[in-house]
Amino acid sequence: AQSVTQLGSHVSVSEGALVLLRCNYSSSVPPYLFWYVQYPNQGLQLLLKYTSAATLVKGINGFEAEFKKSETSFHLTKPSAHMSDAAEYFCAVGWRASNTGKLIFGQGTTLQVKP
Amino acid sequence: DARVTQTPRHKVTEMGQEVTMRCQPILGHNTVFWYRQTMMQGLELLAYFRNRAPLDDSGMPKDRFSAEMPDATLATLKIQPSEPRDSAVYFCASGLAGDRAETQYFGPGTRLLVL
Repeated sequence: AQSVTQLGSHVSVSEGALVLLRCNYSSSVPPYLFWYVQYPNQGLQLLLKYTSAATLVKGINGFEAEFKKSETSFHLTKPSAHMSDAAEYFCAVGWRASNTGKLIFGQGTTLQVKP
Repeated sequence: DARVTQTPRHKVTEMGQEVTMRCQPILGHNTVFWYRQTMMQGLELLAYFRNRAPLDDSGMPKDRFSAEMPDATLATLKIQPSEPRDSAVYFCASGLAGDRAETQYFGPGTRLLVL
């Protein structure tokens, strides 16, 4: 069965500091992996996705994530946090050969950025 | 810029009343998902459709919730009768099953308050 675990429901960083949001997945078949961001009172927006083309994936707003099969991880990073990055972040897994498009979402990590 | 639209954006109603939420998926997408988001439970998948056919509605309370797709441009989620515990934000998302990455695109949500 497929599942996603986001380590840490709340992460707090200072402006300009490194952002690291952790995601581990479980999948019996090669996965697709996603990071979504949700700003207050908005829907989820796609940040980036892994589709097996490259293990290091670059997304919008300076975020990137690296797929590590041996660690079953897909952690999200950004070198320097901005105040505007404060939001909730969701990791999600889908899988190839699925004909439904269904994704499994993690519980989310709230990122706080302190001035 | 293609987007998923949802109406209404906000709804306040009294317990026992019927609530209907509507979603217009992105043109050409063939999968539609309904999610519910609360502080306590996070993001829960209620139901999803492919090519207008329901694939899975196991996440939905059957006695009061119903989801339909009258046509390819409209999905509805209905609650009858509504209860205070249904207060949440309801998101619709659409995607293209068979697409290599099966990305889901979220609408802005309907914020429901049942008094």
